Amino acid sequence: NAGVMQNPRHLVRRRGQEARLRCSPMKGHSHVYWYRQLPEEGLKFMVYLQKENIIDESGMPKERFSAEFPKEGPSILRIQQVVRGDSAAYFCASSPDYLQETQYFGPGTRLLVL
Amino acid sequence: QKEVEQDPGPLSVPEGAIVSLNCTYSNSAFQYFMWYRQYSRKGPELLMYTYSSGNKEDGRFTAQVDKSSKYISLFIRDSQPSDSATYLCAMSEGGGADGLTFGKGTHLIIQP
Repeated sequence: NAGVMQNPRHLVRRRGQEARLRCSPMKGHSHVYWYRQLPEEGLKFMVYLQKENIIDESGMPKERFSAEFPKEGPSILRIQQVVRGDSAAYFCASSPDYLQETQYFGPGTRLLVL
Repeated sequence: QKEVEQDPGPLSVPEGAIVSLNCTYSNSAFQYFMWYRQYSRKGPELLMYTYSSGNKEDGRFTAQVDKSSKYISLFIRDSQPSDSATYLCAMSEGGGADGLTFGKGTHLIIQP
């Protein structure tokens, strides 16, 4: 049973470019969460999605960041016009309907903005 | 005051010792408590999940929750060098899925 998959594992962007991070949840999981881990900081919740719906985006920066979880395909976290402060590890997690509080994490995407 | 406090360590103990890791929190609405293990440059791995107060045991790991004191613990018995990692506590209010609130993690080193 494959776990949560994220790609790319490493992403390098120059300031002003766009970054697209992909997440495929575990089989049978319909809840997807995105977190950001800055150096020396804990994991911070960004957004919670179900298929075609954003449920909670209270942790998402208001500008430049967006997320989607389409009916078909992976969830996408998009960062437009990246700045150096966006450099971080971005983790995706998924949970099943029957135990929504148990979130299983992917390996993360490490974004470096030059 | 931060929502979840966790001593960053490092905590260094000899192999075979009992390890005690702790978190305190301020939000009395938290009902679900988790412990994750994170190896360097990897994703967090769910170790233990507990609802409300009480104890839960799984192999060498025991999780305790004391909601009256807003204090949770993870005990590791017969610690092994492979247990060396960062341990993150996490919690949520529940009532439907919501984002987890994490502590910053405790870096644990088990000396062979």
